[in-house]
Amino acid sequence: AQSVTQLGSHVSVSEGALVLLRCNYSSSVPPYLFWYVQYPNQGLQLLLKYTSAATLVKGINGFEAEFKKSETSFHLTKPSAHMSDAAEYFCAVRDWRGATNKLIFGTGTLLAVQP
Amino acid sequence: DVKVTQSSRYLVKRTGEKVFLECVQDMDHENMFWYRQDPGLGLRLIYFSYDVKMKEKGDIPEGYSVSREKKERFSLILESASTNQTSMYLCASSLWAGGKKTQYFGPGTRLLVL
Repeated sequence: AQSVTQLGSHVSVSEGALVLLRCNYSSSVPPYLFWYVQYPNQGLQLLLKYTSAATLVKGINGFEAEFKKSETSFHLTKPSAHMSDAAEYFCAVRDWRGATNKLIFGTGTLLAVQP
Repeated sequence: DVKVTQSSRYLVKRTGEKVFLECVQDMDHENMFWYRQDPGLGLRLIYFSYDVKMKEKGDIPEGYSVSREKKERFSLILESASTNQTSMYLCASSLWAGGKKTQYFGPGTRLLVL
């Protein structure tokens, strides 16, 4: 069975500092991995995804993530945080049970950006 | 742009009421999903549908049912609302195929059951 673990339910950074949000996955098959962002009072929006092509994936708003099979990780990074990055971030893995495009989500990391 | 809309942003219902949550997508997606989101638990899949009139249970289907009579519309039904169903409900849709396709989410319905 697949799963994802997000380390740190709350992360706080200063504006301009590096953002690092951690995600580790468990999967017996090659995973498809996703990062979604949820701004206050909104639905989720895709930031980026890994589907077995390049291991370094670039997404929207300056975010990127690197798939590391040896570490079973897919951490999300951004070199310089902006106030508008304050949101909740979810890592997800494609659920291979059945043929449908189901996802298994982590519990989320709430990112606060301090001025 | 893909658009997924949900019929209400906020709902307040009484225990025992039958509650309908509606979701509509405008991109001819085969797959549609209902999740509930609770603090500290992330998103959990309630039901999904891969075609008209086709549905499958997700991880937490108890107390819920769904209906998909038209491709663009997926309804979540709480047969007899209970206080433990107070939550944020999110609808999503995606194209069929391969697991690579992005899920597109609606804005959510925040349901309070009193």
